Formats: sequence, structure tokens, C-alpha cells
Amino acid sequence: QVQLVESGGGVVQPGRSLRLSCAASGFTFSNFGMHWVRQAPGKGLEWVAVIWYDGSKKYSADSVRGRFTISRDNSKNTLYLQMNSLRAEDTAVYYCARQGSGDYDFDYWGQGTLVTVSS
Amino acid sequence: DIQMTQSPSSLSASVGDRVTITCRASQGIRNDLGWYQQKPGKAPKRLIYAASSLQSGVPSRFSGSGFGTEFTLTISSLQPEDFATYYCLQHNTYPWTFGQGTKVEIK
Repeated sequence: QVQLVESGGGVVQPGRSLRLSCAASGFTFSNFGMHWVRQAPGKGLEWVAVIWYDGSKKYSADSVRGRFTISRDNSKNTLYLQMNSLRAEDTAVYYCARQGSGDYDFDYWGQGTLVTVSS
Repeated sequence: DIQMTQSPSSLSASVGDRVTITCRASQGIRNDLGWYQQKPGKAPKRLIYAASSLQSGVPSRFSGSGFGTEFTLTISSLQPEDFATYYCLQHNTYPWTFGQGTKVEIK
């Protein structure tokens, strides 16, 4: 069965960096686009970034562009989010999500990992 | 960016009630819309894709409709396990954008 498992969250000071990982299993990872979505405490969902199945294209939200970088290693079935220059407003649960085939939206989500930016 | 205006932001309903949630897109998005259910402390779960297609395993009391700019999620007979927060998502244009969410509470 499809599984997405995020890791790498924690408490970090403003201005520092953190790298999140999302380990995928149960499907052919290299065939699917992958996304990061976040949710600040008590708030709604915010799309963060996408990477094409082969890594050839990437898009990100204005709120993170220039600070966050999405990447993937298809040989390791792993998605990454490198987060630099972190701000308090980046505090959130970060989910990885698989983009369903056929140009659809998210069909599977991970359980999320909490990132807290605080001094 | 495409804005998704979801209404209402919350509602109180009883078991057995018919519930309707609406999302309006700031520009046409064809049928590039999904509906998600989220329970506290859990990841969202897709209910509807392509505006009106029921996700496998989701009860048939959930249905979606709409095209272009107006979309609706309907729960035909609310069940105890349906009390949750619901979100729409447009995936027509990057950045993808969610509605603000609708919290469905017990009356």
C-alpha cells in the first residue's frame, strides 16, 4: 500500500535551516509528481511546492520562494524540502502529498511533521 | 493567483441533515477541483476529485458538482463520523490554492 512518511521536523531558531524528508513506498515513486503542503497551528491548508516526477520542473508559493527548495532522489524514493532563512510564520505541520495520475490533485498524504520556528 | 472563496466557514448540523458547502473560484478552473476532509490531528483525506468524481472507498452520501467557478460539496445525510473540517482545492493553475475551510459541528 502507498505510504508517505515525513521526518526532519523540530524546533529551530529564526534564520536557521532545516531539511524535511518524505520517504515513499508502495508505488513507483519516479512516476509521480510530489508536493509539500503546510498547515499552521489552528489554520487552514497552504500549498508550498511541487516537483515533477522526473525533477524537471518545480514551482513554489510566493511565501517561500527563494528560501525553500524542493528536490527528490528517485533512486532513494525520497522527497525533500530544504528550508532556509526560517521565520516564525513558517511554523506549521508540513505534509508531503502525491499528485494522482491523470493530472489530478492529491490522492495520498503523509502524516505530517511539525516545524516550530522559535527563539 | 486564483482565490478560492469557501462558504460557510462553519456550520452546525444534526445527524441525518443534508449539508452543502460551496467554493467559488476567482476565475474559471474547468473541473480542476478536489474536496478534502480533515479531522483533528490527521492528514486531509480526498473525498472528491475532478469536481464530481467520488474517491474510491468514500461513502456515496458525499457528492460534488460544478464547473468553471462555482462548486458544491453535498453530504446527503450527515453521519457522526462526518463532523470534521472540509477544504476545496483548485489545481488548475500554480500556485494551487485551498479554500479557507468549513468546520462542520454537531448541533
